[in-house]
Amino acid sequence: ETGVTQSPTHLIKTRGQQVTLRCSSQSGHNTVSWYQQALGQGPQFIFQYYREEENGRGNFPPRFSGLQFPNYSSELNVNALELDDSALYLCASTEGGSTYNEQFFGPGTRLTVL
Amino acid sequence: AQSVAQPEDQVNVAEGNPLTVKCTYSVSGNPYLFWYVQYPNRGLQFLLKYITGDNLVKGSYGFEAEFNKSQTSFHLKKPSALVSDSALYFCAVRDKNSGYSTLTFGKGTMLLVSP
Repeated sequence: ETGVTQSPTHLIKTRGQQVTLRCSSQSGHNTVSWYQQALGQGPQFIFQYYREEENGRGNFPPRFSGLQFPNYSSELNVNALELDDSALYLCASTEGGSTYNEQFFGPGTRLTVL
Repeated sequence: AQSVAQPEDQVNVAEGNPLTVKCTYSVSGNPYLFWYVQYPNRGLQFLLKYITGDNLVKGSYGFEAEFNKSQTSFHLKKPSALVSDSALYFCAVRDKNSGYSTLTFGKGTMLLVSP
């Protein structure tokens, strides 16, 4: 059983640019959630994908968008980057759509916006 | 709306002593509660969860947590702390009535265990 993987590990962008982060879910997991963890804060929910459809979204603007592919891997896209987008972006996968299954997190992508 | 409060930014304890990391929650319905641990430059690792049943939940690495509905608390405990337990601990809640399985996290508590 493979765990959740994310790429890249680190990324540096400048304001106004666009970025794509990638996540491979744990084997057998069809639900993927994305979180933003700013320095010194807890993770904040961005959105969730279940069977290739977005089925929940947190308080993030539309320039944060995502995709889930048939193999349940996922992408997070952020357009028009702002300095405050600098954070650790975490992907988490869950088995099935059950609300009581724990989420398994990847190591994260550290995004720095200059 | 659901929320979690971790009132302590940092908890200091000597190795071998018992530790408690506090968490209180707010949900409109019945909660699912979770504890995760984060080591430097790493993602979150699942420790334990409360879904229903026994109020004392046992988890990984000797940790346990006590669910108290009347006090809306879910404190993390360990009888004897290890230096290797030093890390950032997050409490999280999910509303059972939520249509999707997202978590709301507290801001985290740094646990420092001294030798």
